[in-house]
Amino acid sequence: EAGVTQSPTHLIKTRGQQVTLRCSPISGHTSVYWYQQALGLGLQFLLWYDEGEERNRGNFPPRFSGRQFPNYSSELNVNALELEDSALYLCASSLLGGAGTEAFFGQGTRLTVV
Amino acid sequence: EDKVVQSPLSLVVHEGDTVTLNCSYEVTNFRSLLWYKQEKKAPTFLFMLTSSGIEKKSGRLSSILDKKELFSILNITATQTGDSAVYLCASTPGAGSYQLTFGKGTKLSVIP
Repeated sequence: EAGVTQSPTHLIKTRGQQVTLRCSPISGHTSVYWYQQALGLGLQFLLWYDEGEERNRGNFPPRFSGRQFPNYSSELNVNALELEDSALYLCASSLLGGAGTEAFFGQGTRLTVV
Repeated sequence: EDKVVQSPLSLVVHEGDTVTLNCSYEVTNFRSLLWYKQEKKAPTFLFMLTSSGIEKKSGRLSSILDKKELFSILNITATQTGDSAVYLCASTPGAGSYQLTFGKGTKLSVIP
């Protein structure tokens, strides 16, 4: 069974640009979560999507946004990139509502903003 | 604001040593506490603890939750170099999601 897959694995962007990161959850999982892991800050919750809707978002500015598609895959969009957006972006998936099982993480996308 | 605090932040031990990693939490609507191991990128799941006082074990790793004192510990016995990693503790809210609040992690280095 395929795990959570993320693309791309690495990318470099210039300050002010826009970026789109992609995540495919484990088959059967309907919830997708996005986390940012910046150096020295630990994993911080960004967004939660379930059944195509945004269920909650963390303490991040509106230039962080995303969506979930009918096949439950998800995109994270970051506009007007800033240097401090450089981080590892991790996607996780779980069953609906996290019922009875843990969340599984993908390998992440390493974003560098220069 | 929900808070998860791990200690120590880093630890260096010799192979064969036993280590104890600590995690305390202040979380509203607490449902469960999770431990993950992060070696390079993807955190891998170790334990989920929901009930107080019940130890979970997997090989040389074990963990226990104290819901009265709001903390959990992760024990690793007979450490091996392959145990070198960042160990993450996270809490889940009672809302039925995996919107996790993570601690900053404990970086464990096991030297031969």
